[in-house]
Amino acid sequence: QKEVEQDPGPLSVPEGAIVSLNCTYSNSAFQYFMWYRQYSRKGPELLMYTYSSGNKEDGRFTAQVDKSSKYISLFIRDSQPSDSATYLCAARGGSNYKLTFGKGTLLTVNP
Amino acid sequence: NAGVTQTPKFQVLKTGQSMTLQCAQDMNHNSMYWYRQDPGMGLRLIYYSASEGTTDKGEVPNGYRASRLNKREFSLRLESAAPSQTSVYFCASLLGAGIEKLFFGSGTQLSVL
Repeated sequence: QKEVEQDPGPLSVPEGAIVSLNCTYSNSAFQYFMWYRQYSRKGPELLMYTYSSGNKEDGRFTAQVDKSSKYISLFIRDSQPSDSATYLCAARGGSNYKLTFGKGTLLTVNP
Repeated sequence: NAGVTQTPKFQVLKTGQSMTLQCAQDMNHNSMYWYRQDPGMGLRLIYYSASEGTTDKGEVPNGYRASRLNKREFSLRLESAAPSQTSVYFCASLLGAGIEKLFFGSGTQLSVL
């Protein structure tokens, strides 16, 4: 079992929809949680990161971490065709720099 | 500001050949990583270096050897390439100390025939 599990999708939604992307993790030592976005044939880019539990909002994007249930979520409001990409969750421990990624979810937002 | 530079961008090898993937960052980052990305498998960690002078195995280290040459450079060597090592390889670097943005290189597309 991978330390970070993510449903690979694919996920297809109409423009303007609210998108929910989710991951679960098994390592209780994880302290930092991140979401990366990867466009086709490009390297991933950081979208958001959260330390420990809680919510973080940045424009149309909200990241949530629930450490009690080991659940990581990313919400995208008013989704746009330009949001079409693969979204990867990632996590690492506080003193351990080993960064583990989920498999990624392919999202398509249709005009 | 170049960021993370990987070379080569493309490579075709025959089974049994060796090669070294090169990675350099100019951001004075402490940690560096090598990942491979395969369809349906996501990014899998091969080796990482938390700081200059250290190297640790990730999820899939077999068949690879990594070297942190100095703070800027982190190389990945395939001693005897196998078709199972056909993949896209990404190098990345992280400042650390609470700055959690991982910077990725543009990737190396490797085919082993």
